Amino acid sequence: EPEVTQTPSHQVTQMGQEVILRCVPISNHLYFYWYRQILGQKVEFLVSFYNNEISEKSEIFDDQFSVERPDGSNFTLKIRSTKLEDSAMYFCASSEGRQADTQYFGPGTRLTVL
Amino acid sequence: GQNIDQPTEMTATEGAIVQINCTYQTSGFNGLFWYQQHAGEAPTFLSYNVLDGLEEKGRFSSFLSRSKGYSYLLLKELQMKDSASYLCAVREGYRLSFGAGTTVTVRA
Repeated sequence: EPEVTQTPSHQVTQMGQEVILRCVPISNHLYFYWYRQILGQKVEFLVSFYNNEISEKSEIFDDQFSVERPDGSNFTLKIRSTKLEDSAMYFCASSEGRQADTQYFGPGTRLTVL
Repeated sequence: GQNIDQPTEMTATEGAIVQINCTYQTSGFNGLFWYQQHAGEAPTFLSYNVLDGLEEKGRFSSFLSRSKGYSYLLLKELQMKDSASYLCAVREGYRLSFGAGTTVTVRA
């Protein structure tokens, strides 16, 4: 069964450093998403991406964040200058279409900012 | 904004039935989803409702009443592996807005 994959599984970085989290969505899916989950808290929406542009973003997704689909398979989330409060699990998700289509989540990248 | 409420914890016995309620107040609605999440893992899709009524998928069923802003997830014939957090999520536009999750503990 097709799955969303993410690399790395765990990333440790120093405050102020840039990180890039990588995702490979399910191959026939057209919509891509990033969510984050701070330890012990709920899953929060960051951004959705379709047709090579951001379709929606949350208030969390400020100028420090960017997303890109650099080729036909990868989808990346970049955090330009990490802060301690960026420490969280970051999940990539994809869906085939938009209206009520199920979003399938990848295994996540645990980001630890020191 | 969104307000999605579900109980924090529930405990049940192996083989029993548990019902997890979810109430929501959201500015938009494109469907209600239930996900299972084991500690340290990704949410895994269980069920969704976009119209009122009951959807059944094996041991899991989900119900939706849009007029009441209410859904429940029914887990039947509980197994030890069902011990997990169950997340209620409302789709608004492109985004899923999640509740805080209900931790279900299944006891032998």
